[in-house]
Amino acid sequence: AQKVTQAQTEISVVEKEDVTLDCVYETRDTTYYLFWYKQPPSGELVFLIRRNSFDEQNEISGRYSWNFQKSTSSFNFTITASQVVDSAVYFCALSEAGNYGQNFVFGPGTRLSVLP
Amino acid sequence: DVKVTQSSRYLVKRTGEKVFLECVQDMDHENMFWYRQDPGLGLRLIYFSYDVKMKEKGDIPEGYSVSREKKERFSLILESASTNQTSMYLCASSKTGTFGKETQYFGPGTRLLVL
Repeated sequence: AQKVTQAQTEISVVEKEDVTLDCVYETRDTTYYLFWYKQPPSGELVFLIRRNSFDEQNEISGRYSWNFQKSTSSFNFTITASQVVDSAVYFCALSEAGNYGQNFVFGPGTRLSVLP
Repeated sequence: DVKVTQSSRYLVKRTGEKVFLECVQDMDHENMFWYRQDPGLGLRLIYFSYDVKMKEKGDIPEGYSVSREKKERFSLILESASTNQTSMYLCASSKTGTFGKETQYFGPGTRLLVL
């Protein structure tokens, strides 16, 4: 069965620190997609990144980077030089190939607090 | 940009009331979803729809129903609201694609309090 685990419930860092949010997934499919979303205090989930199971290249976008490792079934998210505006709940999600209903399985989320 | 709107940001209802939550998307997406979000439980899928008048149960459909009469609109109905339905409700939409690749886009959410 498909499952997404985000073991860190809450993380607090001081501004300018680097922080990594962990995501571990389970799936039997060989083709699947992984996503990260950000939910700021306003409530709306904002899409950050999508990665398919055949692309293990790390991705960097400004202060954000993602490390996808199929060997450990992990898709971790790092924020470099964190800022107060990064404070949010971050969700990792999995979507499988045979998934014509496009259903996602979400992890429980990690609440990140960046203190000034 | 994809725009998903929800009819209310906050709602307060009484036990036993019938509650309608409306969601509208403007990107001609085939798929629409209703989730509820509770602390520690993440997002749980209530219902989804992959076409007009089509609906499929998600993980927690009990106590809810849905309606999709037009492609852009997906309604969640609580026939008789109960206090355990106090939650954050999130609507999402996506295109129909292959291999699970289509991104879901979310609305701002509705915080429902049932007294």
